[in-house]
Amino acid sequence: DTEVTQTPKHLVMGMTNKKSLKCEQHMGHRAMYWYKQKAKKPPELMFVYSYEKLSINESVPSRFSPECPNSSLLNLHLHALQPEDSALYLCASSQDRSPGYEQYFGPGTRLTVT
Amino acid sequence: SQQGEEDPQALSIQEGENATMNCSYKTSINNLQWYRQNSGRGLVHLILIRSNEREKHSGRLRVTLDTSKKSSSLLITASRAADTASYFCATPGGRGGSEKLVFGKGTKLTVNP
Repeated sequence: DTEVTQTPKHLVMGMTNKKSLKCEQHMGHRAMYWYKQKAKKPPELMFVYSYEKLSINESVPSRFSPECPNSSLLNLHLHALQPEDSALYLCASSQDRSPGYEQYFGPGTRLTVT
Repeated sequence: SQQGEEDPQALSIQEGENATMNCSYKTSINNLQWYRQNSGRGLVHLILIRSNEREKHSGRLRVTLDTSKKSSSLLITASRAADTASYFCATPGGRGGSEKLVFGKGTKLTVNP
């Protein structure tokens, strides 16, 4: 199984809401990632987890809170977002966090903040 | 800390033609990857080429790497409408130059039937 799944596919939330994005992989990968992608831009790294520990936080605002409950799951908790946070949020996994390994991406969650 | 820069930004060709996209980067790397993204979807890994390799093939894809010029190219031969997508090169970057994968701005390829 070489699939990374993400739920939900689409999410519309108000600025006072709390929601969570979920990501799952069953490839035995030890590194998992959250990326944010705005229209016509490349993906921008937000967080990296390696062996279930947060190893990179790209100075992401605290209204985004990642969580890695186990080696297969990655969550992104959202709270008090701003309209400019509207974007495609991509989860990825790889065998190791070294950039010499290919990353497998999920289909993304299209987030709209109203 | 963007590394790769693709060229051209957009490319439109007819089905059956070849498509060439280029990626230039700034600092020494030990590998370079190419990814494809269909509109609004996740990225799909295409090829990884290491610094000691000059050329790599995968089906209709050919990737070259010239470390002296700090550039790579992706050639898609006999293109199909299904090849319509954005193509990104990705190189190691961040602290120490190998902390994370950094994506270039991408080339948007349109293959017209």
